[in-house]
Amino acid sequence: AQSVTQLDSQVPVFEEAPVELRCNYSSSVSVYLFWYVQYPNQGLQLLLKYLSGSTLVKGINGFEAEFNKSQTSFHLRKPSVHISDTAEYFCAVSEGSSYKLIFGSGTRLLVRP
Amino acid sequence: GAVVSQHPSWVICKSGTSVKIECRSLDFQATTMFWYRQFPKQSLMLMATSNEGSKATYEQGVEKDKFLINHASLTLSTLTVTSAHPEDSSFYICSASLRGEQFFGPGTRLTVL
Repeated sequence: AQSVTQLDSQVPVFEEAPVELRCNYSSSVSVYLFWYVQYPNQGLQLLLKYLSGSTLVKGINGFEAEFNKSQTSFHLRKPSVHISDTAEYFCAVSEGSSYKLIFGSGTRLLVRP
Repeated sequence: GAVVSQHPSWVICKSGTSVKIECRSLDFQATTMFWYRQFPKQSLMLMATSNEGSKATYEQGVEKDKFLINHASLTLSTLTVTSAHPEDSSFYICSASLRGEQFFGPGTRLTVL
């Protein structure tokens, strides 16, 4: 069975500092990997996705993530965060044929001035 | 981009009544839609997969007689919470699948008094 682990429930960081949000997954088959952002009382917005090809994936708002198959990780990074990046971030995995998404528990990114 | 809407955005109802939530794909057709439930400060939990023209597939532990799903057209899926109780209060989010990617609605906050 698939599962997604986001070890950090909250990550506080100062504005303009770099940040990494960690995501590890387990699956017995090939997977697709996603990062979503959720602002309060809103739905989810896709930041980036890994389907195949290059392991370094660039997304919107300056975010990027690297797929590491040997470590079963898909960590999200941004070199310089803004106050507006404060939100909840979810890592998700799916087996392509089913399109079902399994979400991690989420990481709250708190950017301080 | 692909846009998914939900209606209503919030609803308050009395215990014992039924509530219907609509999920629409506005600019694309979706044979598959998904319904999620999110409790405060928690992750999204997949409730069911809604397939146009056929019965929904419910995740383990989700009562299909309580959470009725209808996917009557390629652009509309509805979730009806029957005989709602306070413990059903939650944030309900739908998504529609397009070319392997899920696009999320803005969510519906249900409060049962």
